[in-house]
Amino acid sequence: DGGITQSPKYLFRKEGQNVTLSCEQNLNHDAMYWYRQDPGQGLRLIYYSQIVNDFQKGDIAEGYSVSREKKESFPLTVTSAQKNPTAFYLCASSTLTSGYNEQFFGPGTRLTVL
Amino acid sequence: RKEVEQDPGPFNVPEGATVAFNCTYSNSASQSFFWYRQDCRKEPKLLMSVYSSGNEDGRFTAQLNRASQYISLLIRDSKLSDSATYLCVVKDYGGATNKLIFGTGTLLAVQP
Repeated sequence: DGGITQSPKYLFRKEGQNVTLSCEQNLNHDAMYWYRQDPGQGLRLIYYSQIVNDFQKGDIAEGYSVSREKKESFPLTVTSAQKNPTAFYLCASSTLTSGYNEQFFGPGTRLTVL
Repeated sequence: RKEVEQDPGPFNVPEGATVAFNCTYSNSASQSFFWYRQDCRKEPKLLMSVYSSGNEDGRFTAQLNRASQYISLLIRDSKLSDSATYLCVVKDYGGATNKLIFGTGTLLAVQP
């Protein structure tokens, strides 16, 4: 089955620790995205990548880092510099076609800072 | 002003009712429009795209009014399984990326 996988589903972190969230897709999509969702807020873009070894900051990149060493993989690291990391993190992928192309989402990772 | 604005609800409706959601967007240059559905504690999934001429998919009808920068979603004959949050999404064409802007969502609860 083609799709996007994220792991872990739930993650607990102590303050001051860095954690890395995994995102893998086998849809052969060029573009991948990381979003954060907080209660009562829409999804906000953290980082995106349109090609291997290249990525751009989204609207709320501070305190986060990414890499894109393989087309299939786009891991997100939440660093200790992120002030309020507790949130629902969603990874998505899409083709690069302009217009009406769908973004497919993974099941998400719920990060809680203790 | 938010880029994409929706009434957060909740909309509590009985089974079989017709319900309409509205959404406004601020960027007149926006080119593509979507409704996504998000179940509780799950990921968003595309419900339908919204085309200029309006489009229908079964019980769901989407309309776009570019002049008023307004998008709507109509659900007829509501089912219990329609209970979810409906996200209005606008695609902006800026720079090198096609960026999706998400509304905060409208919560629908269909009651038996």
